[in-house]
Amino acid sequence: QQQVKQSPQSLIVQKGGIPIINCAYENTAFDYFPWYQQFPGKGPALLIAIRPDVSEKKEGRFTISFNKSAKQFSLHIMDSQPGDSATYFCAAVNMYSGGGADGLTFGKGTHLIIQP
Amino acid sequence: NAGVTQTPKFQVLKTGQSMTLQCAQDMNHNSMYWYRQDPGMGLRLIYYSASEGTTDKGEVPNGYNVSRLNKREFSLRLESAAPSQTSVYFCASSELYRWAAHYGYTFGSGTRLTVV
Repeated sequence: QQQVKQSPQSLIVQKGGIPIINCAYENTAFDYFPWYQQFPGKGPALLIAIRPDVSEKKEGRFTISFNKSAKQFSLHIMDSQPGDSATYFCAAVNMYSGGGADGLTFGKGTHLIIQP
Repeated sequence: NAGVTQTPKFQVLKTGQSMTLQCAQDMNHNSMYWYRQDPGMGLRLIYYSASEGTTDKGEVPNGYNVSRLNKREFSLRLESAAPSQTSVYFCASSELYRWAAHYGYTFGSGTRLTVV
């Protein structure tokens, strides 16, 4: 089973701080890296995604940093708010040969708490 | 609203009972998936269906069966429920657009199953 390793498992940050969640992958054929956000009692929802041809992508307060040589990518949340408290999953896929049948490979998730 | 609908939302079973979890999507996606989510274990793939008429085992298929009834519906059956199957179950669907800027899963809101 191809793996995506995610850390930390849990994270507590004060409001306004910048939580950082890290993921590392093994399969160099992965070419699409999404992040999912899950609130209690809900299913995961796509938050932001990046392709390996760029080193950074920003959408609002959420930023993905990508290091192709290290096979690592991370999620940063700027000016974090209590409403960002959720579980975050990183994932990876090879969009050419994967998707469909093989689908996304998920990290194990990070439970993030933003304290007021 | 377009999306993935799961029923029921909650269920309590006695050990040995059987039940079927229902999932339907209205986005005309080809691929559908069943995951279970347990604390600290992330999302684990039970079964998937790459297209109508096909199903394949995922990471944790033992104790489950699936049916891809048509393109819209993908059901998960527990023939003889065990306490180890207490979990939150998520259905998801996806469509792979190889040259698209975006690819991801749409998840249902989950079924919380307790086996006593």
